[in-house]
Amino acid sequence: RKEVEQDPGPFNVPEGATVAFNCTYSNSASQSFFWYRQDCRKEPKLLMSVYSSGNEDGRFTAQLNRASQYISLLIRDSKLSDSATYLCVVRGFYGGSQGNLIFGKGTKLSVKP
Amino acid sequence: DAGITQSPRHKVTETGTPVTLRCHQTENHRYMYWYRQDPGHGLRLIHYSYGVKDTDKGEVSDGYSVSRSKTEDFLLTLESATSSQTSVYFCAISASGTYEQYFGPGTRLTVT
Repeated sequence: RKEVEQDPGPFNVPEGATVAFNCTYSNSASQSFFWYRQDCRKEPKLLMSVYSSGNEDGRFTAQLNRASQYISLLIRDSKLSDSATYLCVVRGFYGGSQGNLIFGKGTKLSVKP
Repeated sequence: DAGITQSPRHKVTETGTPVTLRCHQTENHRYMYWYRQDPGHGLRLIHYSYGVKDTDKGEVSDGYSVSRSKTEDFLLTLESATSSQTSVYFCAISASGTYEQYFGPGTRLTVT
């Protein structure tokens, strides 16, 4: 089983739609979770950290289910500018207490007018 | 945006030549990382640094070495480049006590 698995998509949605991405991780000891966004030929950018209680940032909501080892990202009222690849990221265990990041392969979102 | 630059941004080199990529930060963060990104793979950790002169291997370290002589600079060296090292290389930084990492703009390396 891969460490972080995501549906690669692509997800093609109209503007204004709600879209949800899911991700599963294999290491039950993982403690920190993130969603990054990557535009074509650009660097990954932190979208949001994912907390156990769930968290919301504007149109974006992240949820964590530790029992199922499952992370989700919900985007409401999609904008054209949301078109990107969304990376599910889990903190790993290289680097001692700091840890590295383990990336999923990403889910591509295309928002159409 | 975090103050991270990478140089060069693009490079084409021949098999067997040495190549050094530079990552420079102005944030004074303790931790620095080198990742590579290839089609069909997520970003994978090559090496990381947890302080000046303190480095260690990541998941895909074979064929790469690193050095960090100053807080702000983290160098990645391909001793003898191979075509399998054609990739996009990203540097990332992270502050002590946080786990979020911030990425530089990347270097596109082609080994012919």
